[in-house]
Amino acid sequence: QSVLTQPPSVSAAPGQKVTISCSESSSNIGNNYVSWYQQLPGTAPKLLIYDNNKRPSGIPDRFSGSKSGTSATLGITGLQTGDEADYYCGTWDSSLSAVVFGGGTKLTVL
Amino acid sequence: QVQLVESGGGLVKPGGSLRLSCAASGFTFSDYFMSWIRQAPGKGLEWLSYISPSGTSIYYADSVKGRFTISRDNDKKSLYLQMHSLRAEDTAIYYCARTFLSIVVEPAAIYFDHWGQGTLVTVSS
Repeated sequence: QSVLTQPPSVSAAPGQKVTISCSESSSNIGNNYVSWYQQLPGTAPKLLIYDNNKRPSGIPDRFSGSKSGTSATLGITGLQTGDEADYYCGTWDSSLSAVVFGGGTKLTVL
Repeated sequence: QVQLVESGGGLVKPGGSLRLSCAASGFTFSDYFMSWIRQAPGKGLEWLSYISPSGTSIYYADSVKGRFTISRDNDKKSLYLQMHSLRAEDTAIYYCARTFLSIVVEPAAIYFDHWGQGTLVTVSS
């Protein structure tokens, strides 16, 4: 069972906005930074957001990240069918001395 | 451009061993932490291990500690994962990933900015 909890699925129409939550169930994660990854069907994951809210070069500003307290959120605006993918959050668990990932959220663009 | 290419996956019997390799190019390999992450069929991501640029700092997930060994050869720009005592639950796609790591002080940060295409390991009799 992941210490980071994500909704199994979210959906929205093209052009709309969606948010994906990532809630920490362990106080050992604390203020540690969260990253987000997009995994398109049949491909390797790709870094979308790091340090809670920073975008790597090449990631459009339709993707945004935020963190407040024990929850992080990935936002995607102007949804496109090409955004259909699984999305994962991840962070460092200082007590486990290990990386933990959320269980993943499947985004469907209706 | 950064490229990571895994190899060495395949079918192995329970209790068997396998060595995965990851060939890196397009960046100064010896400057970066590297990690192995796996994904069981239809499941989420599971971090396994990371290794520091010099190879002197290594961490493992509890699920593989004592069975898997991460190593690197900076001259060959290669990362390795030696796996022993394999179990059916080790069946997964194994990815290597370039890793950014800052965990000495909080807030700790770790993220994986480049991933290979993965290599499939199947543990079955």
